[in-house]
Amino acid sequence: QITLKESGPTLVKPTQTLTLTCSFSGFSLTTTGVGVAWIRQPPGKALEWLALIYWDDDKRYSPSLKSRLTITKDTSRNQVTLTLTDMNPVDTATYFCAHRRNGDFVLSSWGQGILVTVSS
Amino acid sequence: DIVMTQSPDSLAVSLGERATLNCKSTQSLIYHSNNKNYIAWFQQKPGQPPRLLIHWASSRESGVPDRFSGSGSGTDFTLTISNLQAEDVATYYCQQYYSTPLTFGGGTKVEIK
Repeated sequence: QITLKESGPTLVKPTQTLTLTCSFSGFSLTTTGVGVAWIRQPPGKALEWLALIYWDDDKRYSPSLKSRLTITKDTSRNQVTLTLTDMNPVDTATYFCAHRRNGDFVLSSWGQGILVTVSS
Repeated sequence: DIVMTQSPDSLAVSLGERATLNCKSTQSLIYHSNNKNYIAWFQQKPGQPPRLLIHWASSRESGVPDRFSGSGSGTDFTLTISNLQAEDVATYYCQQYYSTPLTFGGGTKVEIK
């Protein structure tokens, strides 16, 4: 059974850097084709993909946020970390991590999400 | 970037009736090496993460009721919910995974009439 869980601060101030951790079990990020993605959803709005890290450490970012995003993995701890710099109130959202399944490459399993509010 | 456009924004359907949700992409989602459409459909209920229903346009996930079906190819896709049940009230999203940046549609909210 695959599980993912997001952790990190739920309140950050404008201009601060957000660091979120996705802790997962049930799969390995060393398996060919596997990846972990981050997606966010502002309250009442649609889903927005942020970043994806692959088993071979290839990384992809949303073009609109690329300058502010960094994604890394720690395969020994089964964790993926996302940092988003220069936080702004418009970055207030629920942040999800998801498992990219090998074979069909779809985001098959998601964490429950963590609501991050940006406010002074 | 591939833009995904869903229609309608919202839909009210009577219990037991059919709901038809549409999704259009700005470029073909067919990978010619395997002739598969790289589009997925998700269901999201309030306060919950998205749940994967369909991948490769028409492949239903294990445990998803067979009243959910996906169809289409290229740039035009449909999610059909036959025999709508009360528990199907949710927002549904299409998503392309043909290329990065991965992109989602704006969602279709399904309600009971």
